[in-house]
Amino acid sequence: QSALTQPPSASGSPGQSVTISCTGTSSDIGEYDYVSWYQQHPGKAPKLMIYEVTKRPSGVPDRFSGSKSGNTASLTVSGLQAEDEADYYCSLYAGSNNLGVFGTGTKVTVL
Amino acid sequence: EMQLVESGGGLAQPGGSLRLSCVASGFTFSNYEMNWVRQAPGKGLEWVAYISSRGSTIFYADSVKGRFTISRDNAKNSLYLQMNSLRAEDTASYYCARCAGIVWCHFDCWGQGALVTVSS
Repeated sequence: QSALTQPPSASGSPGQSVTISCTGTSSDIGEYDYVSWYQQHPGKAPKLMIYEVTKRPSGVPDRFSGSKSGNTASLTVSGLQAEDEADYYCSLYAGSNNLGVFGTGTKVTVL
Repeated sequence: EMQLVESGGGLAQPGGSLRLSCVASGFTFSNYEMNWVRQAPGKGLEWVAYISSRGSTIFYADSVKGRFTISRDNAKNSLYLQMNSLRAEDTASYYCARCAGIVWCHFDCWGQGALVTVSS
């Protein structure tokens, strides 16, 4: 299964919004509403930020939101803060069905 | 607080072996499907292996099939990854990750990572 496609980088100034895309196909993102997003700071483990396209785990700020249109899922970070500078990965995974793929990753820079 | 702690990483020679362990706490380990995910230096995330909650179903990425073995001991709240015939391209940080969800899973708990370096 091919990796989901993300832009290598994105940036914004503090307080602005940045949106990261995650493009798949009609057989993965286009068919299933189970995309999740992960934030990873350098040297740290990934952290779940969004699951099932739009849901936020407890403790994740509501500045983080997810959406999907057709074969593309998106993560939006509103009101950018310095601590949002990190790598972000999308994923679509069904372990019990042996279906799973990560996105290529996007480095978000806060200017 | 749910937590996963890996151990067993280190330096191995090409063709050698290593065994990673991951101990879970703060949740009922036997209720959850588990995975190993790796990240080569400067690269993205790559799923490595999956094991169902009771260990009856296992899958591997093609890149490690036949060389790596995932297993678990629910009595010890532990997940394992036996890595044989190691190659330079297996050099990575290895994370154990808990699957949350039914059928479609999101990884809601990760270990801190165990660094595996394969070099002569």
